[in-house]
Amino acid sequence: DVKVTQSSRYLVKRTGEKVFLECVQDMDHENMFWYRQDPGLGLRLIYFSYDVKMKEKGDIPEGYSVSREKKERFSLILESASTNQTSMYLCASMVTDNQPQHFGDGTRLSIL
Amino acid sequence: GDSVTQMEGPVTLSEEAFLTINCTYTATGYPSLFWYVQYPGEGLQLLLKATKADDKGSNKGFEATYRKETTSFHLEKGSVQVSDSAVYFCALRTNDYKLSFGAGTTVTVRA
Repeated sequence: DVKVTQSSRYLVKRTGEKVFLECVQDMDHENMFWYRQDPGLGLRLIYFSYDVKMKEKGDIPEGYSVSREKKERFSLILESASTNQTSMYLCASMVTDNQPQHFGDGTRLSIL
Repeated sequence: GDSVTQMEGPVTLSEEAFLTINCTYTATGYPSLFWYVQYPGEGLQLLLKATKADDKGSNKGFEATYRKETTSFHLEKGSVQVSDSAVYFCALRTNDYKLSFGAGTTVTVRA
C-alpha cells in the first residue's frame, strides 16, 4: 500500500511566522500535491510537482511556496503566516496520469 | 473551467437505509470521475472511479455510473451502516494531473 506521511497532525503557529509542512511518500511517485480543505469549499489545489525541483501553481498559490529537493519529499511553506491560512492541509501523491491520488492524513494548522 | 457540483449535506440516515449523493460535473474533454471518502480524523481514500462513459465503479457496496448524457456520477449504496458515516467527495480529472473536487457531503448513519 502507498504510504503518504505528513509530519504533523496538528500545528499551532503565530501570525507572521514562517511555517513548514512536510510530506513524504514511499512509492517513488513522480507527482505530489498540496491541497487545503475548508468547510463548504472542498479541496483546493495550492501547488503540485511533477518531478524533483519542478513545481506548478494550483488554484490558490498566493501566500505559499513549495520545495521538492528529493523525489519522496514535498514541502509546503507559508512565508509569513496569516490567520486566513488556518485550515486543514492535505498532501497527495500519484504515479502517472489515470491513476488515483493517494492522500496523507492531513495537518490541521491554526494561525493565531 | 472544470467544476464539480455535489448535493449539500449534511445527510442523516438510519442503518440499512438507501443512500444517494448526487454529483454533476462541467468539463472540457473527457474526464475521469472519482468518489473519495474521508472518515473522521483521516485523509481522503479513493472509494471508486470511472474513466469513460457508461463505466460503473463499485467498492464496499457503493456504486456510481458515469453518465455522459446527464454529466453525472451519482453515488449510491443500498443499505448503509454506521461505519459509512464520513464525508464524501466527488472529483474529476481531465487531461492533466489536477483533480477538481466538489464541496463534500457529510453523511451520518444512526444505529
